[in-house]
Amino acid sequence: GENVEQHPSTLSVQEGDSAVIKCTYSDSASNYFPWYKQELGKGPQLIIDIRSNVGEKKDQRIAVTLNKTAKHFSLHITETQPEDSAVYFCAAPGSSASKIIFGSGTRLSIRP
Amino acid sequence: DTEVTQTPKHLVMGMTNKKSLKCEQHMGHRAMYWYKQKAKKPPELMFVYSYEKLSINESVPSRFSPECPNSSLLNLHLHALQPEDSALYLCASSQELMGGRVDTQYFGPGTRLTVL
Repeated sequence: GENVEQHPSTLSVQEGDSAVIKCTYSDSASNYFPWYKQELGKGPQLIIDIRSNVGEKKDQRIAVTLNKTAKHFSLHITETQPEDSAVYFCAAPGSSASKIIFGSGTRLSIRP
Repeated sequence: DTEVTQTPKHLVMGMTNKKSLKCEQHMGHRAMYWYKQKAKKPPELMFVYSYEKLSINESVPSRFSPECPNSSLLNLHLHALQPEDSALYLCASSQELMGGRVDTQYFGPGTRLTVL
């Protein structure tokens, strides 16, 4: 089945700097990669996703890049702000269309 | 609108109680999911409903009983739970499951369950 590895587990960056979180997946047939942000006491919220027919997608300060050959994808947050502090999860399709497999999560802290 | 609502927000129950968690979406989605999330862990899939029929049960103990009364509602009935079942229970929905295409899942805020 699919396996998703996520690094780092914790990340602390200065406000205004960039943050990068990386994930690798095992199934070369995977074609959909969402990123979720989970704030304390809330459910995961989709922040950006990418399908395998593109290599990069941007939405304001957030971007995701996909390298299908290397089977990894990354989340990039530029000009970080205090409200970016949260746990971020990457995900990839599981053994069926019903399933997505989550990475282990990255706790991002923004230092003022 | 990509809102999934869940009630209650918090629930405390004893091991002999029977309670239910409720989930609702009005996005016209035909797939709905229950996940369990322990502290500092990613969500774990429990059940998937597709077109109001149970399509996946991830070997969940029978003390958890899902129900999908209609395309907008999803319930999780709880009975004789154990303290280790204490967790955040998340509901999610997606457009539909067909042709192997994975559709975006939208999550509710969760129900924080404590079993005493």
